[in-house]
Amino acid sequence: AQSVTQPDIHITVSEGASLELRCNYSYGATPYLFWYVQSPGQGLQLLLKYFSGDTLVQGIKGFEAEFKRSQSSFNLRKPSVHWSDAAEYYCAVGVGQAGTALIFGKGTTLSVSS
Amino acid sequence: KAGVTQTPRYLIKTRGQQVTLSCSPISGHRSVSWYQQTPGQGLQFLFEYFSETQRNKGNFPGRFSGRQFSNSRSEMNVSTLELGDSALYLCASSYGQGSGNTIYFGEGSWLTVV
Repeated sequence: AQSVTQPDIHITVSEGASLELRCNYSYGATPYLFWYVQSPGQGLQLLLKYFSGDTLVQGIKGFEAEFKRSQSSFNLRKPSVHWSDAAEYYCAVGVGQAGTALIFGKGTTLSVSS
Repeated sequence: KAGVTQTPRYLIKTRGQQVTLSCSPISGHRSVSWYQQTPGQGLQFLFEYFSETQRNKGNFPGRFSGRQFSNSRSEMNVSTLELGDSALYLCASSYGQGSGNTIYFGEGSWLTVV
């Protein structure tokens, strides 16, 4: 069955420190992978996506993610976290026809300490 | 370019009533999908419409239905509301064709069932 696992429910990082959020997926075909961010009471903002090609993808706000097929992973990274990065982060895989049905992980809450 | 627009943003309904939510996709997008977000279940895919036809469907009861119009605007309807239907309902849009569709979300409609 298709699924997405985000092993870390809550992560606290010091401002200026590096960040890595983990994501593992289960999908039989070539995956379409996404990372979204959600601030309280808001919708989902797309950070970056992977469809094919270069396994290291760059996104907005200084985020990047690396697709590793052998590990079924798509981890999100940022070299230096800012207080404004505190939010809920969701990893998703696109399934179904055209890959437009998203299966989400449970999310990781990022807190940033000063 | 305007984003995905959802109306209404907030609404309160009584158990047993029905509700209709509306979504206007990004101009040029022909795919509209709907998601339910609750604290307990997280983000769950409801269904997706492409060119007025339901293309992908999640695992929700028949009380949840939708439709898409010729201008790609979409509505979802929930009949016989239950307390557990209280949630943030998110609409997303994409071009919907080919492979690797970037999916954008609206701000959501907050539904409270009392």
